[in-house]
Amino acid sequence: EADIYQTPRYLVIGTGKKITLECSQTMGHDKMYWYQQDPGMELHLIHYSYGVNSTEKGDLSSESTVSRIRTEHFPLTLESARPSHTSQYLCASSESSGRYEQYFGPGTRLTVT
Amino acid sequence: AQSVTQPDIHITVSEGASLELRCNYSYGATPYLFWYVQSPGQGLQLLLKYFSGDTLVQGIKGFEAEFKRSQSSFNLRKPSVHWSDAAEYFCAASGGSNYKLTFGKGTLLTVNP
Repeated sequence: EADIYQTPRYLVIGTGKKITLECSQTMGHDKMYWYQQDPGMELHLIHYSYGVNSTEKGDLSSESTVSRIRTEHFPLTLESARPSHTSQYLCASSESSGRYEQYFGPGTRLTVT
Repeated sequence: AQSVTQPDIHITVSEGASLELRCNYSYGATPYLFWYVQSPGQGLQLLLKYFSGDTLVQGIKGFEAEFKRSQSSFNLRKPSVHWSDAAEYFCAASGGSNYKLTFGKGTLLTVNP
């Protein structure tokens, strides 16, 4: 069973606030990912990391930023939240051994008012 | 370009009926293939995966999928659907040196009593 955690699960915040979405995994996976998903819609990769101090932008442009200082931790930050950032954010991780399956956290549903 | 297509946006079946969800991929070589399920407000759970070998793959919750190279397909099946199977289903593919997953747009399954 995969162990990947996201906090908070739900967040309602006002425009202009700085927010950080937390993602942690206890599996020792090198690779981690952030996806953005609007309700009933497909997943869009916005950031990924192949290891400590490695971060890359994904296929969908995002105003968010990420950091990877520890293997188990991959937080996502929005410096100034806007209503257009309202969405569900999913974190995932995968092994480095050539197996490609990703394990997902429960998601954070963000609403910016 | 690599792509995954799920032709059916929404499928409705009666409880106890059989189910087949379609997935087609377009890749340079045979990719690794996955099916995920997402319940409302939740993250994605891996149902099953295909890397190589036997083209009929068994997964969790009574699901199976068949890889057909000639049709570039990886369809998900279940012989008898339960009401708890109502969810969004995503097909995904990955391959080569790219660890990223390419997701289809998803198929929403509704189960009628």
